[in-house]
Amino acid sequence: QKEVEQNSGPLSVPEGAIASLNCTYSDRGSQSFFWYRQYSGKSPELIMSIYSNGDKEDGRFTAQLNKASQYVSLLIRDSQPSDSATYLCAVRGDYKLSFGAGTTVTVRA
Amino acid sequence: GAVVSQHPSWVICKSGTSVKIECRSLDFQATTMFWYRQFPKQSLMLMATSNEGSKATYEQGVEKDKFLINHASLTLSTLTVTSAHPEDSSFYICSASSRDGDQPQHFGDGTRLSIL
Repeated sequence: QKEVEQNSGPLSVPEGAIASLNCTYSDRGSQSFFWYRQYSGKSPELIMSIYSNGDKEDGRFTAQLNKASQYVSLLIRDSQPSDSATYLCAVRGDYKLSFGAGTTVTVRA
Repeated sequence: GAVVSQHPSWVICKSGTSVKIECRSLDFQATTMFWYRQFPKQSLMLMATSNEGSKATYEQGVEKDKFLINHASLTLSTLTVTSAHPEDSSFYICSASSRDGDQPQHFGDGTRLSIL
């Protein structure tokens, strides 16, 4: 079983719609969760970090964490073509990050 | 804040050459730096973790004698790919985090290494 699993893509959404990305993790003791955005040929860029259950909003991005279900999600509201990228879910156990395989999002103009 | 600089961004060299990649934290002290490798259309693979002043911890399957890591200061870590071969061609990315346990990792821009 993979440590961090993300919903398979690619995910195609029209401009202005909501993109919903899901991630589950296997280590129940994990305490820190991150979403990174990676454009093709570039390195990952931190979008959100979340540490406690519930929602965390930052601009058009909302991260949701449910530790009981071992589930973390990312919502992108009012999707823009510039949001087209691969989104990586990362979970920290000890000091290392475990990454999901990523979900590629394409926003259609 | 939390800027990580990685240099060079792009290297092409002949087989057998050794290549050094630098990773610097510009505006914070990085007690821990991480080195990743990413092949096309795959996720990041952690190669090793380096802590300032101590030996790096390598992930299973990563040859420590081939990938030499030095973390001599709180702002600089280097990765040297020794005697590089075409199969070492990849995108190498470093990241750094500060002393605070919950702080996220911040990534450098990556180094694209091509071995001919």
